[in-house]
Parts: sequence; structure tokens; C-alpha cells
Amino acid sequence: GAVVSQHPSRVICKSGTSVKIECRSLDFQATTMFWYRQFPKKSLMLMATSNEGSKATYEQGVEKDKFLINHASLTLSTLTVTSAHPEDSSFYICSARESAGVPADTQYFGPGTRLTVL
Amino acid sequence: AQSVTQLDSQVPVFEEAPVELRCNYSSSVSVYLFWYVQYPNQGLQLLLKYLSGSTLVKGINGFEAEFNKSQTSFHLRKPSVHISDTAEYFCAVILNTGGFKTIFGAGTRLFVKA
Repeated sequence: GAVVSQHPSRVICKSGTSVKIECRSLDFQATTMFWYRQFPKKSLMLMATSNEGSKATYEQGVEKDKFLINHASLTLSTLTVTSAHPEDSSFYICSARESAGVPADTQYFGPGTRLTVL
Repeated sequence: AQSVTQLDSQVPVFEEAPVELRCNYSSSVSVYLFWYVQYPNQGLQLLLKYLSGSTLVKGINGFEAEFNKSQTSFHLRKPSVHISDTAEYFCAVILNTGGFKTIFGAGTRLFVKA
């Protein structure tokens, strides 16, 4: 099946610094990518949806200026957590879908990135 | 408002016993239904999905689920579980509206005991 990778898998940073997380579709072109945040023992919360070449669509309550999403190519999306604080510590998961207009097209999930902000 | 409810946060079961993980949804529009499995510190893997047609859907690892429109349910079942099935299971729906967002349930922790 299709593979989605995330880098890094774990990152520890100091409060106030910025962290970039990469999400790549390795063997298909991802028209749409999603970024999720998962709290311990909780479900996935959709943060934003990005289509290649367009601005990301953020969910209500997600700060656009804090969580910068770039989907510059069909195989790469990045999430930058700017001026990170301890409350941003979480497990961030991306997913990719091949077709923008096919709702049931399978989403392929990355393995996740564990962010710890000290 | 659309929502997905997984009625059990944890389900302990003995190895080789059957299991059912429950999922109900509410939506004012048509939906597509999914079950995902998540192993510790990993992303989600698709188990099965219901798009249309037969209401009984078979997936990987011996799992199956049945879509019941009148009860708005999509319960996941396996006739005989293995230790390796211990994981977190998420029910999800994709709303058939613009944007096609996925809404996840809170998850059910399946714990298989020897």
C-alpha cells in the first residue's frame, strides 16, 4: 500500500523555538494532506486540511499563525509550530489522500511525530 | 452536529474469544464509515471501510463490520482475537459535504489477555 513518512519521529525543543515537521507521500501524489493532533489517550483532532498549491484550511480554534502549514508539492507538506510552548507538546500525525474530489479515497497516515516542548 | 461515539473506552478480552467494538454516529448528511487501528507510537492503519453496497464489510486481520443505517451504527467484530490485536481502535466517518472532513471517535482500547 501507499506509504506516508514523517520526519522527525521525535523532537524535543526549548520553549520559544520553532519546530518543523515534514510529511511526505513516498509512492503517490497527495492532492490533499491533513494534519492531526492527538493528546494522550485521546482521539485525533483535525487541525487543518491542505491542498497542494493552496492555503491550508484550518479548523475552528486552531491558530493559523502558530501552526504554519505549507503544501508546496504533491509529495510534501510541512507543519511548523512557531514559538512552541509546553502546551504544544503532543503527537502530531499527518495523512495524505490522492484525490481531492473523492471523499472515500483512502487516507494514508504517517507514523506520527512526538513533540516535547521543555 | 455530526459526531462519532465509541461507547467503550476499554475492552479487555481473553485470547481466542470474540470481540465487538461499538460505534455509533450522528450526521445530517450521508457518510462514509471507517475503522482504523493504531499501535503504540504509530500512525493509523485502515482496517476496513464502508462506502456503499453490502452492509457487511470485511477487512484485514480477520475483522469485519456491519453498517446499520436505522441504528446509525458501524460495530467492529472479530470472531477470535489474538494477543497481537491489542491496540487502539478508532471509528471514523467522512461527511459527504464539501471538504470531506474525517471525524474520529474517541477510540477503544482493545486489550487481549492470555
